[in-house]
Amino acid sequence: LAKTTQPISMDSYEGQEVNITCSHNNIATNDYITWYQQFPSQGPRFIIQGYKTKVTNEVASLFIPADRKSSTLSLPRVSLSDTAVYYCLVVPYSGGGADGLTFGKGTHLIIQP
Amino acid sequence: NAGVTQTPKFQVLKTGQSMTLQCAQDMNHNSMYWYRQDPGMGLRLIYYSASEGTTDKGEVPNGYNVSRLNKREFSLRLESAAPSQTSVYFCASSARTTGTSGSDYEQYFGPGTRLTVT
Repeated sequence: LAKTTQPISMDSYEGQEVNITCSHNNIATNDYITWYQQFPSQGPRFIIQGYKTKVTNEVASLFIPADRKSSTLSLPRVSLSDTAVYYCLVVPYSGGGADGLTFGKGTHLIIQP
Repeated sequence: NAGVTQTPKFQVLKTGQSMTLQCAQDMNHNSMYWYRQDPGMGLRLIYYSASEGTTDKGEVPNGYNVSRLNKREFSLRLESAAPSQTSVYFCASSARTTGTSGSDYEQYFGPGTRLTVT
């Protein structure tokens, strides 16, 4: 089961690009990398997932190097509403069970005007 | 399409009382989950159900029981509430199923139940 490590908190300003890096040194061949966003008093919301290289959607981009031991969530031109906690999870591609369901403390991103 | 719904939104219990938290999803998902989140902490998995008729313990199951009533509903019961169970409880569902492969493990979360045990 891949353990993830991310910074506890980060600060940035409106209009900047924010990159949050997650380490997962013992990721398995069949594991996917998934990111969630959580606002205060709400449940987490899925943002993006990927296996290798780069994935982009309307919300964010996910960069995964060739060795897959880390991943970087990139939020372009952040606004105050991007202030939230961001969680990195490593989830097995196949099967059910509880693997990949550990959210950890996440990264508390604070965006300032 | 309501997604994942939870009732109640708020609850205050006295130590020793019992209660059931209800969760329902209308996305025809196979898997359902119960998490708790304490202040300033991440989510911890209490129980999960990979498919209708099956349930398994997560990281912190002590003091809780669950029932997967049907494919839509997954309830969490506190038999004898304790102050240590004061928390926000989230229910989630995903299309993920034991024994199959695929990327359908994106979880959809409910709005949460804020429980205080005095």
